[in-house]
Amino acid sequence: DGGITQSPKYLFRKEGQNVTLSCEQNLNHDAMYWYRQDPGQGLRLIYYSQIVNDFQKGDIAEGYSVSREKKESFPLTVTSAQKNPTAFYLCASSFYNEQFFGPGTRLTVL
Amino acid sequence: QQQVKQSPQSLIVQKGGISIINCAYENTAFDYFPWYQQFPGKGPALLIAIRPDVSEKKEGRFTISFNKSAKQFSLHIMDSQPGDSATYFCAASKDTGRRALTFGSGTRLQVQP
Repeated sequence: DGGITQSPKYLFRKEGQNVTLSCEQNLNHDAMYWYRQDPGQGLRLIYYSQIVNDFQKGDIAEGYSVSREKKESFPLTVTSAQKNPTAFYLCASSFYNEQFFGPGTRLTVL
Repeated sequence: QQQVKQSPQSLIVQKGGISIINCAYENTAFDYFPWYQQFPGKGPALLIAIRPDVSEKKEGRFTISFNKSAKQFSLHIMDSQPGDSATYFCAASKDTGRRALTFGSGTRLQVQP
């Protein structure tokens, strides 16, 4: 089955901790993206990568970091510098413009 | 600066009716306009998309209408069903450079049986 997987589905973090969200795709897509969704709002772009070993900041990159060492993987780290990290995080990959999303990770700060 | 404005915020339609959701964009460099459907706790799923060289695209019960001069596009859901109850997002992106999507704020659709 081709698709995008995200893990874990639910994640709880204590204040001051860094956490890493996993995103893997087997669609052979070059581009990958991370979005954040808050209740009742649209998706906002955190980071994106159009090719391995290269990534760009999106609109709300502060407090987040990423890496793109493999085509299939684009992990997102939520650092302690992110002041309000509780949200639903969505990873996507694309072939040209068509973007396909994973099932999401819900992060809650305790 | 919100580059894609979506309305209404919520919509209630009777089963069999037509659901209409509207979006307006500001950036004339946008040339790809998709609509996504999202169920609670799930990732958005691509429904249908259009490019500016056509004014309308239909796939099953879903139709996108596009007005390039007005910088507006809309989603029409014909014969709406209770299973269509979800949140719908419009989005836009460029064909070159940063291809990440800019999303509207979403419309929560409820189809009553």
